[in-house]
Amino acid sequence: DQQVKQNSPSLSVQEGRISILNCDYTNSMFDYFLWYKKYPAEGPTFLISISSIKDKNEDGRFTVFLNKSAKHLSLHIVPSQPGDSAVYFCAAIGGVGGFKTIFGAGTRLFVKA
Amino acid sequence: EAGVAQSPRYKIIEKRQSVAFWCNPISGHATLYWYQQILGQGPKLLIQFQNNGVVDDSQLPKDRFSAERLKGVDSTLKIQPAKLEDSAVYLCASSLSLNSGANVLTFGAGSRLTVL
Repeated sequence: DQQVKQNSPSLSVQEGRISILNCDYTNSMFDYFLWYKKYPAEGPTFLISISSIKDKNEDGRFTVFLNKSAKHLSLHIVPSQPGDSAVYFCAAIGGVGGFKTIFGAGTRLFVKA
Repeated sequence: EAGVAQSPRYKIIEKRQSVAFWCNPISGHATLYWYQQILGQGPKLLIQFQNNGVVDDSQLPKDRFSAERLKGVDSTLKIQPAKLEDSAVYLCASSLSLNSGANVLTFGAGSRLTVL
């Protein structure tokens, strides 16, 4: 039951360029979508979120876009920095799952200097 | 603010043995979660507590996994007997409460279990 899907296992980007990480979901009842970032040997840390009633949320170099009709969201990182190299998890909360946070499989981002 | 504490960080056991993981959430966080993360996959919720009551344990393999949160603070997750497929990182997380908007989770560093 994969309600949240990240179809790209990895992404490689040059420093200074834009990184775009994608996420698709199947449950139209989700209330919030979140992105978490994970470094090796650490737990995931919260990065940015977006309510289902909005289509964009920006925080510094990070912007999340939500396309509800396509059930798709994306995380843009501009400009990308080597320290952004990590695994990024898309997550969703609400709907039939109640307050359960459901995670995608993650996308590993490599930012080359 | 102290983060979510977990121990042990690493554990290696043989199949059919038992293991226990401990978690101390952020002070004041009412909700506590245990997630299982298998290599190459996203975290999967095993059990969710609100204070010391279970909110969701629908994906907890109850024949071998158990968890408790006595006094609504610390929590332990136990596996007995362990199987090879239990090899994973066990992540504990906490949040203020279930009704806090986007319900941001704060994770501990995880406990890596290897079952031989």
